Amino acid sequence: DTAVSQTPKYLVTQMGNDKSIKCEQNLGHDTMYWYKQDSKKFLKIMFSYNNKELIINETVPNRFSPKSPDKAHLNLHINSLELGDSAVYFCASSQGWGTNEKLFFGSGTQLSVL
Amino acid sequence: RKEVEQDPGPFNVPEGATVAFNCTYSNSASQSFFWYRQDCRKEPKLLMSVYSSGNEDGRFTAQLNRASQYISLLIRDSKLSDSATYLCVVRGYGQNFVFGPGTRLSVLP
Repeated sequence: DTAVSQTPKYLVTQMGNDKSIKCEQNLGHDTMYWYKQDSKKFLKIMFSYNNKELIINETVPNRFSPKSPDKAHLNLHINSLELGDSAVYFCASSQGWGTNEKLFFGSGTQLSVL
Repeated sequence: RKEVEQDPGPFNVPEGATVAFNCTYSNSASQSFFWYRQDCRKEPKLLMSVYSSGNEDGRFTAQLNRASQYISLLIRDSKLSDSATYLCVVRGYGQNFVFGPGTRLSVLP
């Protein structure tokens, strides 16, 4: 069974479109995250939710809106897509917010904006 | 200065070699330390946590020096399958996981 699953794996779309990426974890974790990995392969936190509540919101354009219907799901909606949004987006989860918590990743969504 | 910095790499080593990666972090309040491994076009996966006393997992040894804010990873007897990017990760209490830029390793036959 996949622990952290995200869909779709690939997303190719035109500039200006709106798209969503879904993420689900079956690990029973309380905390979920969205990371962005750009062409230089640098992994950067975008958002973090703990038990459906927003904990971290890094400097991300407000075109990006996370939604957590329950603690097992954290979806990412992106409005008015731009060329610079092209990247790999990883969902992740951890047991909680304390130290020694380990991070588990989904397999990533490669977003290409044309 | 970046929060987490690593050797730029890439490291190209022959099978059987021993290779060491270094990582430094700037936040002295960091409390958790990890090495993750990322294969090409795949997600990062936990390789090992790093403890103050140092720890070993098979061919992999991790060391932490809190005074110098320095973490290392030693891989002995390199295998072809060790080829990947190695990511140093630190975390402060109640803070997010901060990833280094990664060091790419290629083990050559």
